[in-house]
Amino acid sequence: KQEVTQIPAALSVPEGENLVLNCSFTDSAIYNLQWFRQDPGKGLTSLLLIQSSQREQTSGRLNASLDKSSGRSTLYIAASQPGDSATYLCAVSSNAGNMLTFGGGTRLMVKP
Amino acid sequence: DGGITQSPKYLFRKEGQNVTLSCEQNLNHDAMYWYRQDPGQGLRLIYYSQIVNDFQKGDIAEGYSVSREKKESFPLTVTSAQKNPTAFYLCASRVAQDDQPQHFGDGTRLSIL
Repeated sequence: KQEVTQIPAALSVPEGENLVLNCSFTDSAIYNLQWFRQDPGKGLTSLLLIQSSQREQTSGRLNASLDKSSGRSTLYIAASQPGDSATYLCAVSSNAGNMLTFGGGTRLMVKP
Repeated sequence: DGGITQSPKYLFRKEGQNVTLSCEQNLNHDAMYWYRQDPGQGLRLIYYSQIVNDFQKGDIAEGYSVSREKKESFPLTVTSAQKNPTAFYLCASRVAQDDQPQHFGDGTRLSIL
């Protein structure tokens, strides 16, 4: 059974810092990996989706990488801002139905 | 505006009562999903549906039921058999293509009276 782990569980950084969030998964037979953002009491917003054949995806200040063989993904946030404060969730899809297995999330706080 | 609407935002359940959470989407998406989120944790899949009149159990389907009579709608019933229903419930939908992400509603918070 697929298991997804995110480290650290919480992170506090000063504004302007570059940071890396980590995600690991136990079964490398995945279709894709997705990163989401969740604000308190809200739903999830999709940030990046990496297909299993891809190594990375970029959107603005965000860059996500995927190393399928080692079961790892990282989300890199450049020049962090207070508005980046949220919980970041990693999820993997192991089948064509896109049923997702989620990690527990990393709660990020960016201090002004 | 296209999107996913979940209602109500907050819901309270009495002992022995069934309650139904609504999820409607106007994105013309084929697939719809229900997840449960407990405090400080990730999401767990309850049920999913890839086409109308068809749905499958996820990892934690016991005590829940769904229907998919229309493409736009995927209601979730939390039955009295679900002994620990207090959680944040999230509905999602997506186009049935590999490179497309799931889109989420704003959730329903269910509590026990």
